[in-house]
Amino acid sequence: NAGVTQTPKFRILKIGQSMTLQCTQDMNHNYMYWYRQDPGMGLKLIYYSVGAGITDKGEVPNGYNVSRSTTEDFPLRLELAAPSQTSVYFCASSYGGKLNTEAFFGQGTRLTVV
Amino acid sequence: GIQVEQSPPDLILQEGANSTLRCNFSDSVNNLQWFHQNPWGQLINLFYIPSGTKQNGRLSATTVATERYSSLYISSSQTTDSGVYFCAVERPGTASKLTFGTGTRLQVTL
Repeated sequence: NAGVTQTPKFRILKIGQSMTLQCTQDMNHNYMYWYRQDPGMGLKLIYYSVGAGITDKGEVPNGYNVSRSTTEDFPLRLELAAPSQTSVYFCASSYGGKLNTEAFFGQGTRLTVV
Repeated sequence: GIQVEQSPPDLILQEGANSTLRCNFSDSVNNLQWFHQNPWGQLINLFYIPSGTKQNGRLSATTVATERYSSLYISSSQTTDSGVYFCAVERPGTASKLTFGTGTRLQVTL
């Protein structure tokens, strides 16, 4: 049981390049989330999904896109990288619903846009 | 949106000392979690505590939802406790989305 796995761990992008951050979970969680953490700050929600085929915007969605074709995977796409997207990105998952909503996080992807 | 404030923002302790970290929130919440972000950036689940008190080794947490606060107590601190401690809250009807506080940065010295 690996939990939440993110790849890559580190990446440097040039302005205008594109990339996909991968996230997969093996806990059969319905809900998945992408957060970003800027230096010295807490985490802010980018996008989330409550199940396969369903996604919605969080607090800071501009410049990002997501898809959820399976329960396990929730990739985050950056289309035209900008320096403002330099951050650490965390993927998380939870069962959701009313019984247990404890969230578990991946190890993070440190992205630098130059 | 809901405001989540943590205090103190920074804390320096000598090894062996005890401390209490506080998390205040501005509105009703369904659930609350405490995380430790270690120096390598990894977020480690400490407590999932919508109400009441829980203990795990040298750590304990209490949430009083009606008074809109939670506290994390660290006893006999060790250098491995260093890092940033976050509380995060979940509001009712929000698809279990978490709103994070700004954190308490803890440094434990020898």
